[in-house]
Amino acid sequence: DSGVTQTPKHLITATGQRVTLRCSPRSGDLSVYWYQQSLDQGLQFLIQYYNGEERAKGNILERFSAQQFPDLHSELNLSSLELGDSALYFCASSVEAGGGELFFGEGSRLTVL
Amino acid sequence: GQNIDQPTEMTATEGAIVQINCTYQTSGFNGLFWYQQHAGEAPTFLSYNVLDGLEEKGRFSSFLSRSKGYSYLLLKELQMKDSASYLCAVIHKAAGNKLTFGGGTRVLVKP
Repeated sequence: DSGVTQTPKHLITATGQRVTLRCSPRSGDLSVYWYQQSLDQGLQFLIQYYNGEERAKGNILERFSAQQFPDLHSELNLSSLELGDSALYFCASSVEAGGGELFFGEGSRLTVL
Repeated sequence: GQNIDQPTEMTATEGAIVQINCTYQTSGFNGLFWYQQHAGEAPTFLSYNVLDGLEEKGRFSSFLSRSKGYSYLLLKELQMKDSASYLCAVIHKAAGNKLTFGGGTRVLVKP
């Protein structure tokens, strides 16, 4: 158990819909990262927050947005969903803003039908 | 640029040794990680290299050469449970210390 909690574990929805994925980092970790992993693909970095502020941005679509709240949990919002958005979405946390070991949650598996 | 290359797939026999290579190009290197990921599960930390040389941890060792932009993960005395994907990830200092993952190497251990 990494200490990072993600909900929901599984989510099935239809194209055009909007979903929110939630992540609680390890106690004491200020940084939260979101990654997307499509079937048999590598981890694609989406976005990072540190202590409530956006720190780094990767290949995140405009239809996607995220935020980190004062209690340090984070949410990833995916809207106007397309079939290609079906993937595992991982949240990871770390103590530092830059680098350091990442601790991954179990992921949220999104299926868009 | 931030390119990370590793082989897509490798097969090895139980009890043998396998070496997974990773080459990278980055605008400012600040460390390299190896993670293990079983199918459908979260990646788990294996090793971290920031200086040149070999880091050994039980059956797993990781080597780094910063001048060559090269690392390898060595798995010894392979066990069936080692069948997984192994992800090389590099910290890019110029990109705000962003951690970027390679595509992963799927290792299949056969009896």
